Amino acid sequence: DSGVTQTPKHLITATGQRVTLRCSPRSGDLSVYWYQQSLDQGLQFLIQYYNGEERAKGNILERFSAQQFPDLHSELNLSSLELGDSALYFCASSVGGGSGSAPFYNEQFFGPGTRLTVL
Amino acid sequence: DAKTTQPPSMDCAEGRAANLPCNHSTISGNEYVYWYRQIHSQGPQYIIHGLKNNETNEMASLIITEDRKSSTLILPHATLRDTAVYYCIVRSYYNNNDMRFGAGTRLTVKP
Repeated sequence: DSGVTQTPKHLITATGQRVTLRCSPRSGDLSVYWYQQSLDQGLQFLIQYYNGEERAKGNILERFSAQQFPDLHSELNLSSLELGDSALYFCASSVGGGSGSAPFYNEQFFGPGTRLTVL
Repeated sequence: DAKTTQPPSMDCAEGRAANLPCNHSTISGNEYVYWYRQIHSQGPQYIIHGLKNNETNEMASLIITEDRKSSTLILPHATLRDTAVYYCIVRSYYNNNDMRFGAGTRLTVKP
């Protein structure tokens, strides 16, 4: 158990809909990262928040957005869903924010994931 | 795109050492080598990381060549529970926010 929690575990929805995935980081971690893992693309970094602010952006679609709240939990919002958005979505957390922090502080601990199925 | 090359799959007998190679020939001086693994569809799990010296922890050992262009992750006594996909990742000290996962090596430990 990494200490990172994600809800829900499974989500089934229809094309065109909007969903929200939730992540609670490990106690004391300030960074939250979101990743998408689909069968054909592998694990892809989407976005990172550090202490409430966006820190880094990866291959995140414009239909997707995220935020980190004052209590440090994060939500990933996926809208206008398409069949191709079906994937595992992982959240990870770390103590540090990246950029120049000692490597120890940037070890990422992953949650169990949310499996999204778009029908 | 990942900056590492790994064999797509490997087998290992239970109880034997599993040696997983990784090529990172374009690694630069401020980049670390990290290893993660993913068991079935669980979240990836951190294993070990290193810069240029060999490293060991309770899970594994990491051997980095002197020129740093390749490394080997060693699981000293593989068990069936070590069956997983192993990812070798290169991350910069200065910009280490995102991790670029490649396809990894699918290790199958056989009884």
